[in-house]
Amino acid sequence: DQQVKQNSPSLSVQEGRISILNCDYTNSMFDYFLWYKKYPAEGPTFLISISSIKDKNEDGRFTVFLNKSAKHLSLHIVPSQPGDSAVYFCAASGVRDDKIIFGKGTRLHILP
Amino acid sequence: DTAVSQTPKYLVTQMGNDKSIKCEQNLGHDTMYWYKQDSKKFLKIMFSYNNKELIINETVPNRFSPKSPDKAHLNLHINSLELGDSAVYFCASSQPLGGISGGLFPDTQYFGPGTRLTVL
Repeated sequence: DQQVKQNSPSLSVQEGRISILNCDYTNSMFDYFLWYKKYPAEGPTFLISISSIKDKNEDGRFTVFLNKSAKHLSLHIVPSQPGDSAVYFCAASGVRDDKIIFGKGTRLHILP
Repeated sequence: DTAVSQTPKYLVTQMGNDKSIKCEQNLGHDTMYWYKQDSKKFLKIMFSYNNKELIINETVPNRFSPKSPDKAHLNLHINSLELGDSAVYFCASSQPLGGISGGLFPDTQYFGPGTRLTVL
């Protein structure tokens, strides 16, 4: 039962353009959402998060948008850089819940 | 100056063997986790310990036993290894609920580099 879904296994974007990674969730109890980035042979590293009281959170080139009614969030990277090539995991958690549920990840390729 | 370290990085073993994976964090966190990333790339939580006490135990076979000698270490011991145990195992740590985020949501988890386990 996939509570967090990343339906695009991979995405290729030209360097300098915008990368948009999408994530859908099914559990309406989720109130906190995170994006992690993972390079090969390394563990995931935290990128950005958003709680349900907001619909947008920005950190430098990274912006996460949350649409609670659609149970959808997206990560925008602008402008995309070669070092952004990695696997991006969407994750979600509920209030007062220690557990984070991860999606399968989307592999982002930034093309020169 | 690794924050979360795991050993070994690679582990190849025969079915039926018993093996351990070690995890150590030097971040001063109270909570540690074990995740399994299987062939379908799902990253699923297995266990969570807060200050040496088990707080999350997902549906994991009894052959998997976490051991936390102190809050900086959470080791994973696996008995009678099976082919389906082949996966990448990640250790992670964070502050527990009530930490930096203000208590409502889990804090950022810091992951180790992973241990690729191959059971032949």
